[in-house]
Amino acid sequence: KQEVTQIPAALSVPEGENLVLNCSFTDSAIYNLQWFRQDPGKGLTSLLLIQSSQREQTSGRLNASLDKSSGRSTLYIAASQPGDSATYLCAFFNTNAGKSTFGDGTTLTVKP
Amino acid sequence: NAGVTQTPKFRVLKTGQSMTLLCAQDMNHEYMYWYRQDPGMGLRLIHYSVGEGTTAKGEVPDGYNVSRLKKQNFLLGLESAAPSQTSVYFCASSRWYGYTFGSGTRLTVV
Repeated sequence: KQEVTQIPAALSVPEGENLVLNCSFTDSAIYNLQWFRQDPGKGLTSLLLIQSSQREQTSGRLNASLDKSSGRSTLYIAASQPGDSATYLCAFFNTNAGKSTFGDGTTLTVKP
Repeated sequence: NAGVTQTPKFRVLKTGQSMTLLCAQDMNHEYMYWYRQDPGMGLRLIHYSVGEGTTAKGEVPDGYNVSRLKKQNFLLGLESAAPSQTSVYFCASSRWYGYTFGSGTRLTVV
């Protein structure tokens, strides 16, 4: 059974810092990886998707990587802004099997 | 570009009452899912569907029923609501390129 762990559970940084959020997993089988952002009281917004055959994806100030050999994915946020404050979740899914496993998230606070 | 739409957004039920949550997607996705999200518990899969007319149990299916009569709609039913079903419910749909979530339904059972 796939298990997903996100560390740290909470992170507070000053504005402008570059930061890395970590997501570790136990099953290196062929899964796609998706990073989401969730604002308080809101739904999940997709940030980046890495297919099982890929190693990283970039969108603006965000970069996500996937290393199956080490069982890790990282989300890199450059030049953080107060608007980046939210909970970030990683999820592994096998669409063909209808299976998905979500991490519990890292709550990020970026202080002005 | 609606994506995934959930109705209602908020609901308060009395213990023992029934209700249906509606999820609609306009992306022609085959797969649809119902999750619940509780503090400290993360997202837990209730039921899912891999296509029109199909449903399957997820991680926490007890007390819920679902139907997928049309490809674009996935209904979640509570036959006899219990306080333990107080939660935020999220619907999602997917294809190979990832999941799209609705904005959620906040349900309180008193």
